[in-house]
Amino acid sequence: DTEVTQTPKHLVMGMTNKKSLKCEQHMGHRAMYWYKQKAKKPPELMFVYSYEKLSINESVPSRFSPECPNSSLLNLHLHALQPEDSALYLCASSPPENTEAFFGQGTRLTVV
Amino acid sequence: EDQVTQSPEALRLQEGESSSLNCSYTVSGLRGLFWYRQDPGKGPEFLFTLYSAGEEKEKERLKATLTKKESFLHITAPKPEDSATYLCAVRSNSGGYQKVTFGIGTKLQVIP
Repeated sequence: DTEVTQTPKHLVMGMTNKKSLKCEQHMGHRAMYWYKQKAKKPPELMFVYSYEKLSINESVPSRFSPECPNSSLLNLHLHALQPEDSALYLCASSPPENTEAFFGQGTRLTVV
Repeated sequence: EDQVTQSPEALRLQEGESSSLNCSYTVSGLRGLFWYRQDPGKGPEFLFTLYSAGEEKEKERLKATLTKKESFLHITAPKPEDSATYLCAVRSNSGGYQKVTFGIGTKLQVIP
């Protein structure tokens, strides 16, 4: 089973709202990732967690706040987003940090 | 700076018409090259990992090859269900940690 589950599938939020994206995997992977993908563009890495510790933050604005409560779960907390943050947000996981990653189906986020 | 260039950006094939997609890369210390398939509005689906020049991997109608400067994804006798965007990504040592860089993708359309 190479399944990464993301919820919700779609999210519409106002610029003053606080919301969270959730990601879950039960493959025993110890690295988890958040990517952002705009239309007709490749995925852009935002954060990497390795063994439940944040190992990479690609200079992401503080209105995005990641959290890794345990080895199976990854959250992305959103606050005071801008319309340009509208995108497909992808979660991925991999066995050790430096192997192929398996992606979830994404959350389509629209900021109004 | 690591660079990944995919060509062509779009490709239209008749069903059964074999072809190849190209991924050329310039990276500092390749630690793996990955091919993914992505359907519209979905997360990327992992296809192959290649680590060293001369390596080849096959799956159904797809075959991936790697040289020191580029990778090819060969599609033999494609079917309409092969229509998708094919993404190439490379992992390299960059800035003190292993980083993944995606290409922009090749959008493949297979016409019945």
